[in-house]
Amino acid sequence: SQQGEEDPQALSIQEGENATMNCSYKTSINNLQWYRQNSGRGLVHLILIRSNEREKHSGRLRVTLDTSKKSSSLLITASRAADTASYFCAGTYPGGGTSYGKLTFGQGTILTVHP
Amino acid sequence: NAGVTQTPKFQVLKTGQSMTLQCAQDMNHNSMYWYRQDPGMGLRLIYYSASEGTTDKGEVPNGYNVSRLNKREFSLRLESAAPSQTSVYFCASTRQGQPQHFGDGTRLSIL
Repeated sequence: SQQGEEDPQALSIQEGENATMNCSYKTSINNLQWYRQNSGRGLVHLILIRSNEREKHSGRLRVTLDTSKKSSSLLITASRAADTASYFCAGTYPGGGTSYGKLTFGQGTILTVHP
Repeated sequence: NAGVTQTPKFQVLKTGQSMTLQCAQDMNHNSMYWYRQDPGMGLRLIYYSASEGTTDKGEVPNGYNVSRLNKREFSLRLESAAPSQTSVYFCASTRQGQPQHFGDGTRLSIL
């Protein structure tokens, strides 16, 4: 399986702190995406980073990609209680179709932000 | 509101029963996907349809069938439900250059 692994499985922090989640994958990717899932809801796309990019920002989100280590990290700065959710990385692999095509998901990190 | 609609939201089946999970999107997306989500496993792709008229197996297709009824609708059928198919099922859709949009899931329990 190409499914990635995420670390930590669970993260508990206070409002205002930064949250860092890590994702590792097994084989070369076309791109890596991060999704968020609120309890009982579907996944919502956060950000995509291509294999030739090393860092990308979107608002309070910062994503890095190290293809030599086959790993990515998601940093949420100045976290809020509303950021409480599960976060998943998902890779698109060669032969997997379009940039946003077939996805292979990691197991997710459960983030809890305490007010 | 525009998006991906899944029905039903909850279902309890007995082993051996059959049922069809429905998915419809109103975003004019070409591609549609079915995933299952189990605790600690993340989402795994069951089947997908790259465009109307085509379907392909994903990572875990055994025990399932799909139908791409038209551009809007993509259904998932369990012919003979097994307890191992207890899961949360998500449908997603996308078009070229866009991220996948997900429905809110169908929570299926098989006794």
